[in-house]
Amino acid sequence: DSGVTQTPKHLITATGQRVTLRCSPRSGDLSVYWYQQSLDQGLQFLIQYYNGEERAKGNILERFSAQQFPDLHSELNLSSLELGDSALYFCASSARSPDRGSSYNEQFFGPGTRLTVL
Amino acid sequence: AQKITQTQPGMFVQEKEAVTLDCTYDTSDQSYGLFWYKQPSSGEMIFLIYQGSYDEQNATEGRYSLNFQKARKSANLVISASQLGDSAMYFCAMRSLMKTSYDKVIFGPGTSLSVIP
Repeated sequence: DSGVTQTPKHLITATGQRVTLRCSPRSGDLSVYWYQQSLDQGLQFLIQYYNGEERAKGNILERFSAQQFPDLHSELNLSSLELGDSALYFCASSARSPDRGSSYNEQFFGPGTRLTVL
Repeated sequence: AQKITQTQPGMFVQEKEAVTLDCTYDTSDQSYGLFWYKQPSSGEMIFLIYQGSYDEQNATEGRYSLNFQKARKSANLVISASQLGDSAMYFCAMRSLMKTSYDKVIFGPGTSLSVIP
């Protein structure tokens, strides 16, 4: 158990709908990362937050948005869902300092949310 | 553009033998980190090992070691004494440590490793 929790574990919805995925980082971790893993695209980095602020952006679609709340949990909102959005969505957390000179802290991944769009 | 290449979609290794999983990367950043993750069939992502671009020594973590050749831009994972539980997908990833693209992470396509008894 990594200490990162994600809910729900599974989500089935229809095209055009909107869903919210939730992530609680490990206790004390300030950074939260979101990833999408699909069969055709592999594992894609979506976005990272550090202590409530967006730090880095990857291949995140405009239909997707995320935020990190004061209690450090994060939500990933997916709207106008398409069949191609079906994937495993991972959240990861780390204690990493934003200072460039800091040594790396490993990312701890949650169990993922499997989204199926029908 | 940054890119991770893993040229071995699938690998087989005999139990107790060593295996090397290849990873090459492309970046113009001066500062970056490289790491490997394991994803068993159950789906969770398990961190294995990390190498910083300025680290002079190759990283080791138990049975895992990272053969880092900066000039060749390669970061191969070596698993010694393979065990049946090592059967999984293995992903190589890179994180930029440059201020302009801070913390952006990219993953390779993965290598499926099967350990044969």
